[in-house]
Amino acid sequence: DQQVKQNSPSLSVQEGRISILNCDYTNSMFDYFLWYKKYPAEGPTFLISISSIKDKNEDGRFTVFLNKSAKHLSLHIVPSQPGDSAVYFCAARKTGANNLFFGTGTRLTVIP
Amino acid sequence: DTAVSQTPKYLVTQMGNDKSIKCEQNLGHDTMYWYKQDSKKFLKIMFSYNNKELIINETVPNRFSPKSPDKAHLNLHINSLELGDSAVYFCASSPRPGTFNSGANVLTFGAGSRLTVL
Repeated sequence: DQQVKQNSPSLSVQEGRISILNCDYTNSMFDYFLWYKKYPAEGPTFLISISSIKDKNEDGRFTVFLNKSAKHLSLHIVPSQPGDSAVYFCAARKTGANNLFFGTGTRLTVIP
Repeated sequence: DTAVSQTPKYLVTQMGNDKSIKCEQNLGHDTMYWYKQDSKKFLKIMFSYNNKELIINETVPNRFSPKSPDKAHLNLHINSLELGDSAVYFCASSPRPGTFNSGANVLTFGAGSRLTVL
């Protein structure tokens, strides 16, 4: 049962434009959401997170938006750079749980 | 100096063999994890140890046995390998169980070990 879903396997964006990656979840017990970035032959690395009590968190070019009523979050990258080309995983933590639930990832390609 | 290191990076073996993947972290974290990423790209928790004690054991066949000799090491041994075990296995660590929020408390992954069973 996949509780975290990333329905777009890939996304291509022109350099300098905005990249928007989407994630949907089904479990209302999730209290923390994270985005991880993965380059080929490397492990996922933490990018940005948001608590369920907030609706926005910003860190430089990266902003995560959370819409709890829609059970939806998105990652905005502005402006997109070629070095942002990677697979982005959405992840969520259930209240009191000791692990993360991951989506299947979206491959972002930023075209120079 | 790699924070979470796994060996081997690649492993190709025949069905029925037994193999091990080793993981070490030098972050001083108390908690370590094994995740499996299958062909459909699902990244799913298998096991977690906190200070050498097993705290998460998902529905994983008995052929998979984790071992944590100390809190800096978590190894994964797989007996009687099957075709369906082919996947990328990621080791990870965190300061404490469930602390994944931000900054220094994130879940840190190794580079992965790609297992191919023929």
